[in-house]
Parts: sequence; C-alpha cells; structure tokens
Amino acid sequence: NAGVMQNPRHLVRRRGQEARLRCSPMKGHSHVYWYRQLPEEGLKFMVYLQKENIIDESGMPKERFSAEFPKEGPSILRIQQVVRGDSAAYFCASSLTANYEQYFGPGTRLTVT
Amino acid sequence: QKEVEQNSGPLSVPEGAIASLNCTYSDRVSQSFFWYRQYSGKSPELIMSIYSNGDKEDGRFTAQLNKASQYVSLLIRDSQPSDSATYLCAVNKRDTGNQFYFGTGTSLTVIP
Repeated sequence: NAGVMQNPRHLVRRRGQEARLRCSPMKGHSHVYWYRQLPEEGLKFMVYLQKENIIDESGMPKERFSAEFPKEGPSILRIQQVVRGDSAAYFCASSLTANYEQYFGPGTRLTVT
Repeated sequence: QKEVEQNSGPLSVPEGAIASLNCTYSDRVSQSFFWYRQYSGKSPELIMSIYSNGDKEDGRFTAQLNKASQYVSLLIRDSQPSDSATYLCAVNKRDTGNQFYFGTGTSLTVIP
C-alpha cells in the first residue's frame, strides 16, 4: 500500500492519559501535515513537518500537544494529559513538495472517556 | 472573516444532473486551490487541484478558478448517487508556508 498510513485507527484514552498517533507518509513524500476534525466542523490545520524539522506549528495548542518527524520512522503526534475536548478525528496528510497536493491517511479517531 | 467559505448545503440534485459547488476565499495572495471529497466517517480524498485562472477538466469533474473574483467552483456532470458526500474546498497561500485552509464543506446528495 503506497498511501498514507495512520495507526491506530481508533484510540480510547481516559482523561489524563497520553495519546500517541502515528503517521507514515506516502512513499517519496517528505512533507507531513496534521489536521484535527471535530464533528460537523471543518479540518483545522495543526502542524507541518519535514524530516527532523517542524516548519509550522501555528495551529497546534502550545500546551500538551507536540509533534515530531524523525529521520527514521513515522511522524508522531503526541497529546499529553488528554481531556474530553481532545476527542476528534486526527488526520495526517503528506505531499511531495511544499504548496502541492496533499494526500490524506485514513485518520485516527480519538475518544477520551 | 474566514479564509475559505462554502455554502454548507445540503445541496440536492437528481441523478444525471450537474452539481455546482462554490467556494470563496478572502486572501488575494492565495496561490493553489483544491477540491476534496469526504464520505461520512472517512478521510478527505483529493479530486482536483487548480493553480491558474480558467477551467480544468478531469472526467466528470470541472474546476473553475476566478482569481479576480476570488472564487473557485467545482462542477460535477452526470451526477451519480455515489457522488453523495461532503465536498471540501482548500486554499494554499505561499506566504504562510504550506498551510492549507479548508472550508467547512458542502454536503451533496444525489437523488436516484
């Protein structure tokens, strides 16, 4: 499968736990983006990364949220001390170059109980 | 003012008709424009990209861009029930890096 991969597809966490979401971009893509989508709302940009660098994190809350895209391995979005308001679908997208078409993974549905 | 605005719908068209979806954007420096389709519970799927004024056709889909009026539209010819989905418009501005701004989407229902 040459598409964007995300895991897990569904994640249930209790309040206060940590959530770790993984994203492997399409083969050959080095640009990764994370979005959050709440029910009945649009996609909200969170962060844009290239290998080992955060390019734009303007959409990511400054507390509890962090992202990385290491030289080896998938990109990871980490949410510490989750709260119920973090329940949402989190999508990862990748592109070949900047300002170009983005392709989305299947998403991770996070539920905080 | 939102970066990208779409009529949320729902838009209903009979099978075989032309569905017309519209999107306006606020910033004239916007450079790249995209249409995505999202089925309920699924991830967005890229349909079309358009970068210059005019029309771009791909099968039953035509994207139209008018930078002077700051709108982009998507026409779906010979609409099929399988086209029933939410259609998202996205805009990219080079001066904000590679951030895409998405509209909230237009829900389309094609009635058999």
